[in-house]
Parts: sequence; structure tokens; C-alpha cells
Amino acid sequence: AQSVAQPEDQVNVAEGNPLTVKCTYSVSGNPYLFWYVQYPNRGLQFLLKYITGDNLVKGSYGFEAEFNKSQTSFHLKKPSALVSDSALYFCAVRDSSGNTPLVFGKGTRLSVIA
Amino acid sequence: GAVVSQHPSWVICKSGTSVKIECRSLDFQATTMFWYRQFPKQSLMLMATSNEGSKATYEQGVEKDKFLINHASLTLSTLTVTSAHPEDSSFYICSARPPDRASGELFFGEGSRLTVL
Repeated sequence: AQSVAQPEDQVNVAEGNPLTVKCTYSVSGNPYLFWYVQYPNRGLQFLLKYITGDNLVKGSYGFEAEFNKSQTSFHLKKPSALVSDSALYFCAVRDSSGNTPLVFGKGTRLSVIA
Repeated sequence: GAVVSQHPSWVICKSGTSVKIECRSLDFQATTMFWYRQFPKQSLMLMATSNEGSKATYEQGVEKDKFLINHASLTLSTLTVTSAHPEDSSFYICSARPPDRASGELFFGEGSRLTVL
């Protein structure tokens, strides 16, 4: 069975500071890992993904994430936070085999304070 | 990127009525679409997998007679909430995966907020 844990319900960061949103996962085979962002009353927007290759992946809006197989983690990072980054962030995983749906974490609300 | 359109964005209905939500893939064909439900301040719960030309696959605990899913074409899936009650009020989101994306990221519609009075 697949699962995702986002241990923080809320992350508060000052504008201009680096941010990290944590994610750990569990999957039986090789993982495909994703980060999505959701603004109020909107659907989810794809940020980035890890499939294979370099452990550090870069995505939209200056976000990046690092895949760590030994720690089964895929933390989302950004060197310098913007107020407009404030939103709900979801980590998701699926097994690399088959046309399986994504399993989402419970989400982390990021607040960037000016 | 791939575009998924969902309609309506907002709907208010009376208890006992049925509501249909449409999910369209605008620039790709989707043999499979996924329907999620999101409660306030909570994560997305997968309700069902919609398969073109065949019956949907429902997750455990989701009433298939309550949430009717039809995937009549390669670009359209519909979710009908039958005999809606206030507890069905929620944010419903559909998603689809373009066939050329082997890595499998999903693209999401904008969501439909249902309020049952």
C-alpha cells in the first residue's frame, strides 16, 4: 500500500527566507513523487516530479525538491520565499507500475509573512 | 501543459435533487479519469477511477449508487451526486493523465464546490 506523510500542518516563513515543506512516503516498488499547490477554491497545480535520475528536481515558480531514497523523503524547498507562495501544498506518490492513482498527503499550509 | 476543465465551478442545490459535474480533457484523450473529494482543511480522498467504456472502480466506502460516474467518451467523464444531502456538500475535483506522460503526473480540473441546502 502507498502512503504519504506530511508532518507539518502549517509552516510559517518570513519573506525572503528559505522554505522547506516536508514529505515522507511509503511505496512497495519504485516511487513516482509529485508536489502540487492549491490556492483557495481552486484545483491543484502541478509543481514538480521525481521519476528517475538526479535526486534534485527543479520545478515551477523556483521550487525544487530533493529525493532521498534512504530516508524515503521528498522535501519541497525554495531558496527565497514570496508572499505569493502562501498556499496549500500537497505531496503525492504512486508506484511506478500500472495506471494507478496518486495518493496524497494531508497537505501543508504555507504562510509567507511580509 | 495538459488542460482539464471542470463544470460547474459552484453549484447549490436542494436536498433530494441530483447534481451532475462534468470533467473534460481539452487537449488530450483520457481513457482514465480520477474523481477526488476534498473536505475543508483536509486532503484529497480518491472516490473512484473512471474508465472510458466500462464501469468505474469505486474506493472502499464510496457508494456507487450515490455517486454515479459515466465516462462516455475519451474526453468526458461525469459525476452525478444523486439524491443529494447536506453531508454531500464538498469540493469535488477531477483529474486525468495524458497517455504520453508515462511518469504519470495528473492534471486537475479547477474543482466544483457543491452546497446542498
